[in-house]
Amino acid sequence: RKEVEQDPGPFNVPEGATVAFNCTYSNSASQSFFWYRQDCRKEPKLLMSVYSSGNEDGRFTAQLNRASQYISLLIRDSKLSDSATYLCVFYNTNAGKSTFGDGTTLTVKP
Amino acid sequence: NAGVMQNPRHLVRRRGQEARLRCSPMKGHSHVYWYRQLPEEGLKFMVYLQKENIIDESGMPKERFSAEFPKEGPSILRIQQVVRGDSAAYFCASSPSAVGDNSPLHFGNGTRLTVT
Repeated sequence: RKEVEQDPGPFNVPEGATVAFNCTYSNSASQSFFWYRQDCRKEPKLLMSVYSSGNEDGRFTAQLNRASQYISLLIRDSKLSDSATYLCVFYNTNAGKSTFGDGTTLTVKP
Repeated sequence: NAGVMQNPRHLVRRRGQEARLRCSPMKGHSHVYWYRQLPEEGLKFMVYLQKENIIDESGMPKERFSAEFPKEGPSILRIQQVVRGDSAAYFCASSPSAVGDNSPLHFGNGTRLTVT
């Protein structure tokens, strides 16, 4: 079983739609969680950290469910500029490294 | 503040040659990570280094690949006797401390290696 499982998509949604991605992890030692965004295979950029209590940044909401070992990202009122690949990232303190999911591709259409 | 600097941006090598990829972390960052992204695939961890120490190289191929982060100068990822399967984007990332402090990774622009 892969350490990180992420639905590759693609997700094709119209502008204004709400879309959600999940990402599951198998290593319970994972301690820090992030969502990154990658455009056209350029360098990944941090979108947001994920906190146990859940957190929101504008149209983006991230949540963590430790019991079920997954994190989620919700995007409301999708914009064309949201089209990208979204990567979930888990940091394992014991191993000292971050593990990336393979990414979920989102395309927002007019 | 300069971000993570990688060079070259693009590198073309013939089979059997050596490739040297450089990464200068952000100022104040002492933790460096190398990732590889093969065509149509996700980011794969290769190696995690601190100054003069390799902390975790579990993602590095056993042969031909090596990495260093000397006391002075950039981190270097070295690939000897390159083969076509080494063609990929190589990303370097840095953080000011262990990522467990909720310090996210900051990525460089990457080096696109093409082996002909």
